[in-house]
Amino acid sequence: AAGVIQSPRHLIKEKRETATLKCYPIPRHDTVYWYQQGPGQDPQFLISFYEKMQSDKGSIPDRFSAQQFSDYHSELNMSSLELGDSALYFCASSTNAGTSQETQYFGPGTRLLVL
Amino acid sequence: RKEVEQDPGPFNVPEGATVAFNCTYSNSASQSFFWYRQDCRKEPKLLMSVYSSGNEDGRFTAQLNRASQYISLLIRDSKLSDSATYLCVVNKMTGRRALTFGSGTRLQVQP
Repeated sequence: AAGVIQSPRHLIKEKRETATLKCYPIPRHDTVYWYQQGPGQDPQFLISFYEKMQSDKGSIPDRFSAQQFSDYHSELNMSSLELGDSALYFCASSTNAGTSQETQYFGPGTRLLVL
Repeated sequence: RKEVEQDPGPFNVPEGATVAFNCTYSNSASQSFFWYRQDCRKEPKLLMSVYSSGNEDGRFTAQLNRASQYISLLIRDSKLSDSATYLCVVNKMTGRRALTFGSGTRLQVQP
């Protein structure tokens, strides 16, 4: 079965640079979530989209922005990168958002290293 | 205090052992409950949803006690491949629907 696709899988950037992470949800999934997992930490929610509109916002820095496109893929744009942004970034997709049937499926993640 | 609390472990058990993990959550608005497993540097993978009546999937049994805000996972006949971090995860149906993760319990099954 098709899974969530994320690209790139690995990314190395310097401080103050920008980065764009991409997420392609499972076909027919209409909701996308972004999570950040620092070393030794549990995943922390950043932002989510439902039907191309932002549905919720978590601990996302103002330097980050995201959107969901007409084909339901999503991009996380990160600017003025800081050393502390080094983490695994996961995208998860789901359908039936807000119901007891909703289950989030995670992509393989993008490992970002800021030097 | 974290919204979802788990014993970090590690739990070191021999193959074939039965092991149980517990989890408590503080937000009574939590409506959906899950166990995910995460291997080192990999994505969380859904192990099973947790229902009020309790549910079983092969060697895995999950229980939910809403009154005590307590979730458990029982693994029978442990396999080497069960070695991973087990994440207790909750979701609210209203407002923020993002998942809230516990810090995970690490399991190491030894030959």
